[in-house]
Amino acid sequence: AQSVTQLGSHVSVSEGALVLLRCNYSSSVPPYLFWYVQYPNQGLQLLLKYTTGATLVKGINGFEAEFKKSETSFHLTKPSAHMSDAAEYFCAVSLTLNDMRFGAGTRLTVKP
Amino acid sequence: EAGVVQSPRYKIIEKKQPVAFWCNPISGHNTLYWYLQNLGQGPELLIRYENEEAVDDSQLPKDRFSAERLKGVDSTLKIQPAELGDSAVYLCASSSREGSTDTQYFGPGTRLTVL
Repeated sequence: AQSVTQLGSHVSVSEGALVLLRCNYSSSVPPYLFWYVQYPNQGLQLLLKYTTGATLVKGINGFEAEFKKSETSFHLTKPSAHMSDAAEYFCAVSLTLNDMRFGAGTRLTVKP
Repeated sequence: EAGVVQSPRYKIIEKKQPVAFWCNPISGHNTLYWYLQNLGQGPELLIRYENEEAVDDSQLPKDRFSAERLKGVDSTLKIQPAELGDSAVYLCASSSREGSTDTQYFGPGTRLTVL
């Protein structure tokens, strides 16, 4: 079965600094990969997803992620953090269309 | 386009009491999911519906949890009786096919506190 590991339950960056949230997956076949963001007291919102094709995926709010099969990774990055990026971020993996597995999440704090 | 609607947003009950959560998916989405999210963790699937049929309920604790999706639109998740360990956020999602995979859209969740 597929699984996801998010390295670091809490990441803190300064406003304007690079954001890097790490995600590694375990899967026996090429998976679909997702990043979701969750703001306080809200549901999850899709940031971006990788299905097939180009391994560098661009999402909303300036985020992007790169699928690296050799490293089984799908790290999320943003060149310059904004205060509004403070939230919980979840990486997820699925093999078929409906069996999504989520990581434990990484809480991003942005310092002024 | 309206998103996934859930109610209530918050619920506080005493243990052994029943509780129900309601979800209305995005119009036209045939697939509906109920997830459990414990504090500090990612969502875990409880049940998935394709139209009115529960196609994956392997993680639903059937001794106390039940769900229904009459007419294949809105859905209700029930717990009877509730236990202290049921305190969590219950998320509903619905999905549509976008490209080669389904994309799930989540509601705001119902935060349940069992005292």
